[in-house]
Amino acid sequence: KAGVTQTPRYLIKTRGQQVTLSCSPISGHRSVSWYQQTPGQGLQFLFEYFSETQRNKGNFPGRFSGRQFSNSRSEMNVSTLELGDSALYLCASSSSRGWSTGELFFGEGSRLTVL
Amino acid sequence: TQLLEQSPQFLSIQEGENLTVYCNSSSVFSSLQWYRQEPGEGPVLLVTVVTGGEVKKLKRLTFQFGDARKDSSLHITAAQPGDTGLYLCAGAYSSGAGSYQLTFGKGTKLSVIP
Repeated sequence: KAGVTQTPRYLIKTRGQQVTLSCSPISGHRSVSWYQQTPGQGLQFLFEYFSETQRNKGNFPGRFSGRQFSNSRSEMNVSTLELGDSALYLCASSSSRGWSTGELFFGEGSRLTVL
Repeated sequence: TQLLEQSPQFLSIQEGENLTVYCNSSSVFSSLQWYRQEPGEGPVLLVTVVTGGEVKKLKRLTFQFGDARKDSSLHITAAQPGDTGLYLCAGAYSSGAGSYQLTFGKGTKLSVIP
């Protein structure tokens, strides 16, 4: 079956702009999580959505937001971009059965560069 | 906040050598996963260990979960160039209301030189 699909794969923005990233999970997976990956900090948890509700949230400022639709597709938005937001943004989906053991299936990521 | 310390951060070895990567924490995890990430791609799950003391083998890779479920190790025997990549450990813990979160180590970047 198809894997996790993230769009766009690459994008360049300037400071102050906003960006929206999209994620389509594996069919049947209802949990979608977002992570930010940078060389210095590694993978840091942004938030997790399950059945259109935000279930968990990491320690990121309010400029980072997300949502999940009824078909489990998810979007994340970053407003008022800063240089430090340059990173690889990874989306991961999980089935309900797998989540208790934290098994995630990742997309290839969206690489955001802020100039 | 659950933290996972991964070591070493970088590892460069010759083909055929053995290596061990460590993942340590002061926190207890309900399970621990190991992922491998190649450039330009997302992490891919290698294994999940759940029981303290559990050992799992995946071809030349051996994963162990510590007895207290606070640490884990990944041992690779006779490393091959195809093993090159970023190895990430991730610990799962309950965040309440039946949901779990994963916290990741910063990764070990492995280069296997032919």
